[in-house]
Amino acid sequence: AQSVTQLDSHVSVSEGTPVLLRCNYSSSYSPSLFWYVQHPNKGLQLLLKYTSAATLVKGINGFEAEFKKSETSFHLTKPSAHMSDAAEYFCVVSDRRGGADGLTFGKGTHLIIQP
Amino acid sequence: DAMVIQNPRYQVTQFGKPVTLSCSQTLNHNVMYWYQQKSSQAPKLLFHYYDKDFNNEADTPDNFQSRRPNTSFCFLDIRSPGLGDAAMYLCATSRETRPSETQYFGPGTRLLVL
Repeated sequence: AQSVTQLDSHVSVSEGTPVLLRCNYSSSYSPSLFWYVQHPNKGLQLLLKYTSAATLVKGINGFEAEFKKSETSFHLTKPSAHMSDAAEYFCVVSDRRGGADGLTFGKGTHLIIQP
Repeated sequence: DAMVIQNPRYQVTQFGKPVTLSCSQTLNHNVMYWYQQKSSQAPKLLFHYYDKDFNNEADTPDNFQSRRPNTSFCFLDIRSPGLGDAAMYLCATSRETRPSETQYFGPGTRLLVL
């Protein structure tokens, strides 16, 4: 069975400071991992994904994440937060069953950007 | 360019009155999904279609049905909405169901049940 734990339900940072959103996963197989962002009353947008290629994955809007198998982590980072980054972020793991019933969402991290 | 379109964006219905939510895609993807997302929760998969093959999640209530008349369109029918069905309903698509496949989400339909 697979699982995803987003370690913080809320993260608050000041504009211009680094962002770190933490995600740990558990999977019996080589997983694919995703980060999605959801702005208020909007659908989910893919930020980046890891699919067993490079362990450091660069995404849109300056976000990146590093897959660390030894730590079973896939933390999302951004060097400098912008007000438009305020949103809900979901870490998602997909195992060998694929993108239907094989997709497991974390509970989400609400990112707050202080001016 | 919109790739996954959901209509309407907001839907108000009465307790027990059937309602249909619509999703269309311009990506020509094989797979279409419906998720339910309640406030401050992660999306929960209700069911998905691979082409015309329907796959229901084990814990999806019978009150929820779906139709996919062609590749582009998929509908979510709620036969007798209850107050607990008020949520955001998200449609998503992917080319295949491989683990590495990205799911592309629509903007969602927010359902209010009075």
